[in-house]
Amino acid sequence: RKEVEQDPGPFNVPEGATVAFNCTYSNSASQSFFWYRQDCRKEPKLLMSVYSSGNEDGRFTAQLNRASQYISLLIRDSKLSDSATYLCVVGRFNTNAGKSTFGDGTTLTVKP
Amino acid sequence: DGGITQSPKYLFRKEGQNVTLSCEQNLNHDAMYWYRQDPGQGLRLIYYSQIVNDFQKGDIAEGYSVSREKKESFPLTVTSAQKNPTAFYLCASSITGEAGANVLTFGAGSRLTVL
Repeated sequence: RKEVEQDPGPFNVPEGATVAFNCTYSNSASQSFFWYRQDCRKEPKLLMSVYSSGNEDGRFTAQLNRASQYISLLIRDSKLSDSATYLCVVGRFNTNAGKSTFGDGTTLTVKP
Repeated sequence: DGGITQSPKYLFRKEGQNVTLSCEQNLNHDAMYWYRQDPGQGLRLIYYSQIVNDFQKGDIAEGYSVSREKKESFPLTVTSAQKNPTAFYLCASSITGEAGANVLTFGAGSRLTVL
């Protein structure tokens, strides 16, 4: 079993739709959680950190469920520009260095 | 603007050749990382460095080597011992300390193809 698992999709949704992705992690000692966005053939860029209390940034909402060991990303009112691969990243600390484990990504395509 | 510069963007290599990928950052970050990404997959850690003149193996270090002689620079050498080197290579950096050690800033990547 992979340490971080995501549904690869693809998720094909119309503009304006609400879409949600889940990501499960196996290491209960994980300490930090993120969503990164990666456009085709580009580098990943930080989308959101995920806090225990949940957090929202505009149309994006991230949640953490430590008991069930998953994080989620909700995108409301999808835009064409939201089409990308979304990477779930789970981290822990090793003598001050970040060690992050990446999921394989969920691909989202928003269609007109 | 601060950031990470990787070069070359595209590189073609013949089997049996070593190649070195450059990574330079001006973010004043202490920690630097090299990841490999294969199509449809997530990133896998090759090597990381927390401080100058020190580095540790990641999950897939075999066939790779690094150096960290300067804070700003963390070059990766893909040696002929790496059996399947064709991939997208990403360099990243972060601050150290729990507050931000897992928040990664990436370079634009180097795409290596072995002919």
